[in-house]
Amino acid sequence: ETGVTQTPRHLVMGMTNKKSLKCEQHLGHNAMYWYKQSAKKPLELMFVYNFKEQTENNSVPSRFSPECPNSSHLFLHLHTLQPEDSALYLCASSPAGGLKDGELFFGEGSRLTVL
Amino acid sequence: GQQLNQSPQSMFIQEGEDVSMNCTSSSIFNTWLWYKQDPGEGPVLLIALYKAGELTSNGRLTAQFGITRKDSFLNISASIPSDVGIYFCAGQPGHGNQFYFGTGTSLTVIP
Repeated sequence: ETGVTQTPRHLVMGMTNKKSLKCEQHLGHNAMYWYKQSAKKPLELMFVYNFKEQTENNSVPSRFSPECPNSSHLFLHLHTLQPEDSALYLCASSPAGGLKDGELFFGEGSRLTVL
Repeated sequence: GQQLNQSPQSMFIQEGEDVSMNCTSSSIFNTWLWYKQDPGEGPVLLIALYKAGELTSNGRLTAQFGITRKDSFLNISASIPSDVGIYFCAGQPGHGNQFYFGTGTSLTVIP
């Protein structure tokens, strides 16, 4: 239990569906992240939120839309995805700005399959 | 984005053996992190390093922050079957919240 909870753990969707991934952190952190993990590739940073403000968008296609209503919750809205978007999507959080700024904690991931 | 070079890519070792892996970067980092990931799970933080030369242990795991600040090492002593998994390094340059990740070392421990 890392203090970062992701739901759902598994998701299968068609290319025309709209779905959302949810992340919640119970660590009191101020920064939250979405990463994409594909086979045989390093983790790819998608989005970063600091104190609910988006500070990084790593050239992610608009079919991925993040939402951060508060420092504890992060969503990734999915719309008209492609089969190559199938991957493990990892949420993470970090203290941001404090002494332990560099500690990044991950959730268990949401395995997405796009048919 | 920046990529860390992690080696070896995979290791097959006998139970009880020691393991060493490392990560190198072309630029300086202020933080090095080491993670373990089991299949279908998220990476779990093993050790965090914040100072050049720092040597930190977590049970049978020991990690070092290289003096040049461009590399880091992870050692596992007396490996056991539950050490099986993929080990990732991650580095943070110090500006903003950007973390860069290695490609992972897949460890197999043969009983």
